[in-house]
Amino acid sequence: QVQLVQSGAEVKKPGSSVKVSCKASGGTFSSYAISWVRQAPGQGLEWMGRIIPILGIANYAQKFQGRVTITADKSTSTAYMELSSLRSEDTAVYYCATRFRVTDGAFDIWGQGTMVTVSS
Amino acid sequence: EIVLTQSPATLSLSPGERATLSCRASQSVSSYLAWYQQKPGQAPRLLIYDASNRATGIPARFSGSGSGTDFTLTISSLEPEDFAVYYCQQRSNWPRMYTFGQGTKLEIK
Repeated sequence: QVQLVQSGAEVKKPGSSVKVSCKASGGTFSSYAISWVRQAPGQGLEWMGRIIPILGIANYAQKFQGRVTITADKSTSTAYMELSSLRSEDTAVYYCATRFRVTDGAFDIWGQGTMVTVSS
Repeated sequence: EIVLTQSPATLSLSPGERATLSCRASQSVSSYLAWYQQKPGQAPRLLIYDASNRATGIPARFSGSGSGTDFTLTISSLEPEDFAVYYCQQRSNWPRMYTFGQGTKLEIK
């Protein structure tokens, strides 16, 4: 069974950057894409982008283009999401997610979430 | 970008009742539609993928239907643990993108 374990909570200043990690275990890391999804307090889910580790190719939601970078390190089975020029509206729980037993239209494996707080 | 609209925003029902949640897409998503359940403080849990396939370990009282632009999640007889927020999500082909609906809160009446 694939598991995704994320890094811990972060508190950042406006204008700075944050980098969240997502380490996979129990499966073939490079095979499937890893997506990042965020959820602001009391709000819905928002897909940010994804990477296919075996190809190293990432694509992003238009809203985050130019501000988010998703990378993957195959040697450590870890994906990263870096968000720059942080503002208060970026305060959210950030999840990584992937598929394991389903087709490439859904996410059946989720990380535990990483709370990122942006505050001066 | 494909927009998913869920209705109703809030659904108030009692245990044992049948719940019907709707998700409408702004353009056809074929059958690339998934449903998730989320409880406070937890990550989303996949219930249904490809519109009608139950994910591993999901009880048979959960079922999904639809194709194209109109989809439905049905919970045949509500259990106390089913009261939560439900999201639909679609996948577009190229570039590969995903979007979520705004959610339906299923609350105890």
